[in-house]
Amino acid sequence: GQSLEQPSEVTAVEGAIVQINCTYQTSGFYGLSWYQQHDGGAPTFLSYNGLDGLEETGRFSSFLSRSDSYGYLLLQELQMKDSASYFCAVHTGFQKLVFGTGTRLLVSP
Amino acid sequence: GAVVSQHPSRVICKSGTSVKIECRSLDFQATTMFWYRQFPKKSLMLMATSNEGSKATYEQGVEKDKFLINHASLTLSTLTVTSAHPEDSSFYICSAVRGLQGFFYEQYFGPGTRLTVT
Repeated sequence: GQSLEQPSEVTAVEGAIVQINCTYQTSGFYGLSWYQQHDGGAPTFLSYNGLDGLEETGRFSSFLSRSDSYGYLLLQELQMKDSASYFCAVHTGFQKLVFGTGTRLLVSP
Repeated sequence: GAVVSQHPSRVICKSGTSVKIECRSLDFQATTMFWYRQFPKKSLMLMATSNEGSKATYEQGVEKDKFLINHASLTLSTLTVTSAHPEDSSFYICSAVRGLQGFFYEQYFGPGTRLTVT
């Protein structure tokens, strides 16, 4: 089967740094993506890792270790608007994504 | 950026009736579209993969006769929930992939449709 595990909830204050972990076990692996979803809204793409290492996109960075079946999303200089759910997603085949359990991030003043 | 729309955004229907949800890629042609279902505070569960001009591929456990998918053109896919029941109430989200981009491809998500069956 396929499983992608994330912490259910993370809390932090404005300006802080938070890391959201994702461990996966899937039948195919062609990369790891991260999506953000605000309540009632559509998921929006944040980042993609196809190879091991760190990818940086502004305040967001994402890391992948294929040997450990592990990745994380790092959010820096947290802002109130970052309060949302974050999903890791494994590319398991041609164009196909399997989503993680999701992490709800709550940023407080 | 690529834009995907869904219609309707919200729908309430009576048990036993059918509901059609449309997913459109507005500024690009989508060879592949996906349909997901999401329960409150839960993850997105892939229901089916929709390819233009061919039959949809359903995930295990998804009833193809209940969730009818049609991908009539490169910009439109429809999901019809037939004989809806209260347990079908959920948030349905579609996504579209633009062309062929190798192993990395970005799925552009629609805003979702909230279905409530009474």
